[in-house]
Amino acid sequence: SQTIHQWPATLVQPVGSPLSLECTVEGTSNPNLYWYRQAAGRGLQLLFYSVGIGQISSEVPQNLSASRPQDRQFILSSKKLLLSDSGFYLCAWSVGPLAGGPRMNEQFFGPGTRLTVL
Amino acid sequence: RKEVEQDPGPFNVPEGATVAFNCTYSNSASQSFFWYRQDCRKEPKLLMSVYSSGNEDGRFTAQLNRASQYISLLIRDSKLSDSATYLCVVNSQYSSASKIIFGSGTRLSIRP
Repeated sequence: SQTIHQWPATLVQPVGSPLSLECTVEGTSNPNLYWYRQAAGRGLQLLFYSVGIGQISSEVPQNLSASRPQDRQFILSSKKLLLSDSGFYLCAWSVGPLAGGPRMNEQFFGPGTRLTVL
Repeated sequence: RKEVEQDPGPFNVPEGATVAFNCTYSNSASQSFFWYRQDCRKEPKLLMSVYSSGNEDGRFTAQLNRASQYISLLIRDSKLSDSATYLCVVNSQYSSASKIIFGSGTRLSIRP
């Protein structure tokens, strides 16, 4: 079965500090991978998605970046955090486009990282 | 108009009641539809995929109305454990990538 891991679970960082959040998926190959942010009491905002190694699409221009160095690894980074970067960061995977079929857009989320920028 | 709209609620209903909520979407080319459940301070979890003919899973029924561009979720015989936020998700796919839009969610609270 497939599992998705995220770490750390919680993080408190000062403004201006760097950020690195990691997400790994097990039990599947060539997944689509996603980073979302959820501000307190708000909906999910898609930040980045990736359909393959080194392929990153950005949905929202901001001071965050993403990388996919391996098939099942997705990293979210920032060089300098802002107060507005606080939120609940969620990584998700779905079956990749090569798989096809009606289930290819079903997303499965990791446990999330709760980031507080002070 | 938002791409995906949900009534934020909260819906406060007694245990055992039937409750339904809708979600409207603006892109008529949307292809995939889902309902997720999110508990407080937890990640969303897939509840149901919504197929064109509608589908049922135990106490939960999801339906799609393409003409009016909405999906619905019906919960019968509600349980205390059904208390959560229900997220509507709509996907319009292009080329080899997917664009997935989450609604802001509908809060449901089941009271004893």
